[in-house]
Amino acid sequence: DIVLTQTTLSSPVTLGQPASISCRSSQSLVHSDGNTYLSWLQQRPGQPPRLLIYKISNRFSGVPDRFSGSGAGTDFTLKINRVEAEDVGVYYCMQATQLITFGQGTRLEI
Amino acid sequence: QVQLQESGPGLVKPSGTLSLTCVVSGGSVSSNNWWSWVRQPPGKGLEWVGEIYHSGTTNYNPSLKSRVTVSLDKSKNQISLKLSSVTAADTAIYYCTRSPYDDNCWGQGTLVTVSS
Repeated sequence: DIVLTQTTLSSPVTLGQPASISCRSSQSLVHSDGNTYLSWLQQRPGQPPRLLIYKISNRFSGVPDRFSGSGAGTDFTLKINRVEAEDVGVYYCMQATQLITFGQGTRLEI
Repeated sequence: QVQLQESGPGLVKPSGTLSLTCVVSGGSVSSNNWWSWVRQPPGKGLEWVGEIYHSGTTNYNPSLKSRVTVSLDKSKNQISLKLSSVTAADTAIYYCTRSPYDDNCWGQGTLVTVSS
């Protein structure tokens, strides 16, 4: 099984400042088709999760450009350029290279 | 716009079987997609349960595989989840979702409590 381990944020984050969350995989997430199926999701309180980033760095439709993803192989990062109040919630990395697993989640507080 | 709506009993007895359905509106379960179930125990993180392709091919979380069945009903345009031999550890919000790794289509979730 692939295990995803996320970092915790030093809390709370200051409005307007950047924030970064890391996700490390127990094995390479490069699929045999050449793609890396690493996504980032946001879950606001009381809401279902929402896809932000797919295949490492592709922003989903409607996601603000202050969100960006990077990384390769086993190490990945979600960056928020300037944190806004609406960004409060829990962030999950997710892999779909081999079945599906989620990281344990990282809480962003302001 | 595709919408997903989960439904089923909110309370299941220990050792019983949890049964949920997810009705798809605005789209078809026969479309070229994987349909997944994801659960979230109260106050905890997300756990993938299993998925089904429109062809009927399924994949399951290895830790749940012996107890889980995901199926499609094309005539009713819905996806179903059955989880047998439940315990309190299966208490969670259960979400239905379409291709969660590259799409943003989730139901609102339904809370299932396992208790006598």
